[in-house]
Amino acid sequence: DQQVKQNSPSLSVQEGRISILNCDYTNSMFDYFLWYKKYPAEGPTFLISISSIKDKNEDGRFTVFLNKSAKHLSLHIVPSQPGDSAVYFCAASAVGTGNQFYFGTGTSLTVIP
Amino acid sequence: NAGVTQTPKFQVLKTGQSMTLQCAQDMNHNSMYWYRQDPGMGLRLIYYSASEGTTDKGEVPNGYNVSRLNKREFSLRLESAAPSQTSVYFCASDQGGTYGYTFGSGTRLTVV
Repeated sequence: DQQVKQNSPSLSVQEGRISILNCDYTNSMFDYFLWYKKYPAEGPTFLISISSIKDKNEDGRFTVFLNKSAKHLSLHIVPSQPGDSAVYFCAASAVGTGNQFYFGTGTSLTVIP
Repeated sequence: NAGVTQTPKFQVLKTGQSMTLQCAQDMNHNSMYWYRQDPGMGLRLIYYSASEGTTDKGEVPNGYNVSRLNKREFSLRLESAAPSQTSVYFCASDQGGTYGYTFGSGTRLTVV
């Protein structure tokens, strides 16, 4: 049973526009969330995180929003650049489980020049 | 700084063969993890080691064993490979806090 879901397998955006990647989760015990970026033939790399005590975290062009009541988080990339083309995974961990993370299935972002 | 190094990068096994996937990190991280990535399934945790000398099962441990050889190394063993174990395997380590995992580049395993 998939506890973290990314319902959009792919997304295409024009360079300079906003990319919005969405993630839903079912476990109300999740209290820490991360986004990873993955290029082909490489391992995922950490992008940005958010704790459940916050509803927003920003790092340069990347902003993550958390809506706990809806069990939904999103990653905004503004402005999108061709180098952002990659697969993005969201991941969540539950309080008391250390750093065990549950991953979504990923969204493949293509930024069109 | 190499980060997390996995070997081999590619492997083809016959059903029933055994093999060990190697992982080493040079960041002095306490915790290490093995994940597998399958199409449509995301990354799923196989085993993890919160510290040297400890290992615990993750979400999908059946068919695998692990060894935390020392603080740097965490190996994953398939005793009798099955086609269902065809996957991309990622090793990761972390220092806790807000930085997330550091992943290796993966091992693409095919069992025929």
